[in-house]
Amino acid sequence: DSGVTQTPKHLITATGQRVTLRCSPRSGDLSVYWYQQSLDQGLQFLIQYYNGEERAKGNILERFSAQQFPDLHSELNLSSLELGDSALYFCASSVAMGANYGYTFGSGTRLTVV
Amino acid sequence: GIQVEQSPPDLILQEGANSTLRCNFSDSVNNLQWFHQNPWGQLINLFYIPSGTKQNGRLSATTVATERYSLLYISSSQTTDSGVYFCAVVDSGYALNFGKGTSLLVTP
Repeated sequence: DSGVTQTPKHLITATGQRVTLRCSPRSGDLSVYWYQQSLDQGLQFLIQYYNGEERAKGNILERFSAQQFPDLHSELNLSSLELGDSALYFCASSVAMGANYGYTFGSGTRLTVV
Repeated sequence: GIQVEQSPPDLILQEGANSTLRCNFSDSVNNLQWFHQNPWGQLINLFYIPSGTKQNGRLSATTVATERYSLLYISSSQTTDSGVYFCAVVDSGYALNFGKGTSLLVTP
C-alpha cells in the first residue's frame, strides 16, 4: 500500500456519461497530481493541486475538471465521456510543491467507456 | 518541455541476468525519478535521484546530471522484475514528464 488511495479501482460507463474519480493523498502530502495513461499517449500529466489551489495544468480536456478539498482529498470529474477517454487514471501526491521531492502514486482507476 | 528518451524500448532477460536501462533528458533537471509499473498496472517509485548514485537491494541507479542521463541497473533479475520501467523528470512547473518506458520481460 503506497498510502495514496484511489477509488473506484474499475469503472465501466457509457459514452456521454459523467464520472468522478477520487483520490486521498498520503498522510502529510499537500500536493496532488492527476495523470492519464493510455496505450497511444503514454503517461500524461493532467492537473496539479497544492493545499486546495490549482497550481499547474497539463493536457487536460475542457470536459475534465478537478478540485482539492480542505481535507486534501481530490476529485477528478470527467464528463461527456468518449470512447477515447478509456484509460488508466492515476493520482500521485508529494509532500510539497517543488522539484525536490519524490512522488507516490496510487494504484489507479481503470476507466472503460463503452 | 524537457524531452525524455528511454532505451531500450523492450528487453527480454533470462532469470539471473543483469541489465542496464538508460534515460536521456534534453535539459538540466532538479528532479528525476525511476518507476516500475508491474503487470497489474501499479506504479512503484524506485528512486528519487536527481544526481549521484543510490542502491536498493538488487537495483541501483546513477544520474549524471551534467551529461543529462540516468542509468538503472538491475542485477540477478527475477521474474517479478517484469513490467515497464519509467524515467520521469520534473518539467516546467512541478509535474513529472515521463519517458515512454522500457518494457522488461524476465523469463524463468
